[in-house]
Formats: sequence, structure tokens, C-alpha cells
Amino acid sequence: DQQVKQNSPSLSVQEGRISILNCDYTNSMFDYFLWYKKYPAEGPTFLISISSIKDKNEDGRFTVFLNKSAKHLSLHIVPSQPGDSAVYFCAASPNFGNEKLTFGTGTRLTIIP
Amino acid sequence: DAMVIQNPRYQVTQFGKPVTLSCSQTLNHNVMYWYQQKSSQAPKLLFHYYDKDFNNEADTPDNFQSRRPNTSFCFLDIRSPGLGDAAMYLCATSRDRASGYNEQFFGPGTRLTVL
Repeated sequence: DQQVKQNSPSLSVQEGRISILNCDYTNSMFDYFLWYKKYPAEGPTFLISISSIKDKNEDGRFTVFLNKSAKHLSLHIVPSQPGDSAVYFCAASPNFGNEKLTFGTGTRLTIIP
Repeated sequence: DAMVIQNPRYQVTQFGKPVTLSCSQTLNHNVMYWYQQKSSQAPKLLFHYYDKDFNNEADTPDNFQSRRPNTSFCFLDIRSPGLGDAAMYLCATSRDRASGYNEQFFGPGTRLTVL
């Protein structure tokens, strides 16, 4: 049972445009969400997170939006740069400070120069 | 730089031959995790240590064991690897839950091949 779903295995975006990566979850107990970025031959690295008490969190070019009623979150990257080409994983945990994360299957983002 | 190190990066073993993967960290984090990731799948938590307290996931096969001799090191032992255990194994660390941080720091992974 996949509790965190990333339904798009891949996404291609023109450099300079906005990249939107989506994530859905089924477990209503999740209330803290994270995005990780993974380059080939490296481990995932933390990108940005959001708590359920917020609906938006922004960090430079990266913004995460959370829609609790729809159990949906999205990561916006604007403007997209070639270095953003990577696999992006969505992850969720039952509460802030809980050490267990449930990951999605990832979306491979390719930025076209 | 503080980091999570995994050795070896690539490991080849034979069917049924025990293998040990290692992870070390210089972050001084209380919590260490082992994940298994198969191709095109989500990383799947096998177990984690909160300090010396071992927490096994309910669906982790008995074939997988772990040791954490001290804060810095954690080992994953696969007692009798099967072909289905071929995967990337990721080690991660995090601060303790009292700090309120969920962020996990990952090593580069060990890719295990079972012949």
C-alpha cells in the first residue's frame, strides 16, 4: 500500500520555466512533509519541508504548497535551472519530530537548456 | 565536512553468502536508519536506532540484522542474501526527536549485487 504517491515518474521542463512536481498521500495522520533531491550516485539531500499548520513554505527558488483537504502537495521550482535536473522524492511523517519517514517513488526532473 | 559515509559503494556477494554493509557519521546524530531502495521504488525503511534502542519495521525480513556499536557506526548484516535482496542500501542519520527536526541526512548508498 503506497501511502505517498508521486504519479509522474518523469518531467521535462525548459530552462527558466516553472517546474511543478506533485505528491499525493493517503494517510490522514501525516502532518509533516519533506522534499528530497537526489543526483545519480549520491544519497538524497533535504530540500524543503512544510508542516500541516501551513499551506505554503518558500526557500529561494523553491516553494512547497500543501492542500490538506485534498491530501496533496506540490513543489514549485522557478526559474528552473539545469542543475535542478535530478530525482525528487516526496516524504511524509506522522508528526513533527517523528523519526519515521514514508517516501514516494520519486519524479525524475530534466531541465532542457 | 560533517557527513554520512557508506562503505563499500558497490558490493557483490553470492547467493546465501553473508554480507555486511557499513555506515559511519561525523554529525553526532542520535538516530541512524537503514533503507532499502529497489529500482524505481521508494526508499523503504528497514530499521532505525534511536541511540542504542533498535526499532525494527514489522515487515523487515529476519534475514536483515543491524548493529550499532557506538554513536558513529552502524552496520547492516544480511545473513543469507537472496536474489531479491539486490538493491541500493541507504544509511541516514537525524537529530533526536526532542530537537524537533525531521530532516534526515543520507549517505551515498551501497549498491548490492547478488550473484
